[in-house]
Amino acid sequence: AQKITQTQPGMFVQEKEAVTLDCTYDTSDQSYGLFWYKQPSSGEMIFLIYQGSYDEQNATEGRYSLNFQKARKSANLVISASQLGDSAMYFCAMSPAYSGAGSYQLTFGKGTKLSVIP
Amino acid sequence: DTEVTQTPKHLVMGMTNKKSLKCEQHMGHRAMYWYKQKAKKPPELMFVYSYEKLSINESVPSRFSPECPNSSLLNLHLHALQPEDSALYLCASSHAGLAGGPFEQYFGPGTRLTVT
Repeated sequence: AQKITQTQPGMFVQEKEAVTLDCTYDTSDQSYGLFWYKQPSSGEMIFLIYQGSYDEQNATEGRYSLNFQKARKSANLVISASQLGDSAMYFCAMSPAYSGAGSYQLTFGKGTKLSVIP
Repeated sequence: DTEVTQTPKHLVMGMTNKKSLKCEQHMGHRAMYWYKQKAKKPPELMFVYSYEKLSINESVPSRFSPECPNSSLLNLHLHALQPEDSALYLCASSHAGLAGGPFEQYFGPGTRLTVT
């Protein structure tokens, strides 16, 4: 079984500042993947960034980076130079790296609502 | 093109109605997913299709009936729903395969369903 914990229900950040959203996980799988999704108020879930459990380097995608600490079982999302459009709900999720059915089931955390202040 | 489309965007239906939600993707993905999301909660997985076969049914009531007519389309047929079924219904797709994963899921914009 897999579990994702996001301990920050809500966060505020000043525009142009950096912000870190926390995510810890628990799994018995040796190989797995970690994902971050953004959900604006419109409802669509937008894929942001992916980190594989055996990736030695932290993933980066533009202003998003994933601070992966395997021993601590944490996968924090760092957003640099926050913009007003970053205001949204952010979900951390994970999935095993192997599937008996060919599909990959995501386990989501409860989410963190980020508000960017002008 | 990383687009998943869903229709309709909004749906209001009575408890005796029959309606269908539609989802389409043209990314060549062979895994497709239905999620239900209540306000301020994470998405809950309902069904998974892998290579057009139903691979996961998360104990969803029979008033929800999924269908995967081909590798690009996914339907969710609704019948005799309850007011508590009002939610955002999200469709997603991803690559499939026994190894090489996990693969990121791409979500559609969702259908906001209200049951009266």
